[in-house]
Amino acid sequence: GIQVEQSPPDLILQEGANSTLRCNFSDSVNNLQWFHQNPWGQLINLFYIPSGTKQNGRLSATTVATERYSLLYISSSQTTDSGVYFCAVESGTYKYIFGTGTRLKVLA
Amino acid sequence: EPEVTQTPSHQVTQMGQEVILRCVPISNHLYFYWYRQILGQKVEFLVSFYNNEISEKSEIFDDQFSVERPDGSNFTLKIRSTKLEDSAMYFCASTSQGAFYEQYFGPGTRLTVT
Repeated sequence: GIQVEQSPPDLILQEGANSTLRCNFSDSVNNLQWFHQNPWGQLINLFYIPSGTKQNGRLSATTVATERYSLLYISSSQTTDSGVYFCAVESGTYKYIFGTGTRLKVLA
Repeated sequence: EPEVTQTPSHQVTQMGQEVILRCVPISNHLYFYWYRQILGQKVEFLVSFYNNEISEKSEIFDDQFSVERPDGSNFTLKIRSTKLEDSAMYFCASTSQGAFYEQYFGPGTRLTVT
């Protein structure tokens, strides 16, 4: 089945710093989403982005489907951005396969 | 904005007991899912459900698990005889019909088996 790898696995930033999270997938996909898992365990949907670029405030994402990767950009990070970021992909099976996540900690 | 809801938010049960986790998907959605996340690990697919039957299930979804849509709004996951290793966060998700679609996830139910 399709493999989803995320990097880096862990990231520590000072408040105000920028970061880029990467998601690589081993096969073509129909759908791709980015999630933020907050300290209470809830999955917050950040972007639905099977291709192209989207922006939402300090966050933006780009998916290059032909090259099988997606990037999540966080600018001017805040302590509330801390948590785990997951990429999830769907490749025609109507189920999402999640990556292992990037654990982000933003220090005040 | 419509959202997926799940109850309870946290359930504690003893090993061997049956539990039912409940979900209310978004009202016009047709595809329903359960996922599981063991603490500290990634989210794993359990089962998908469409047109009142299971579309696909993972290896995790053995005979101890079952799903049901008992009425027009609820979608349930039953674990017949819980084991310690069933302790996890369980997420329900739903999506509307179509080839390109976004899955909407509920807030999760944290199941603790003691």
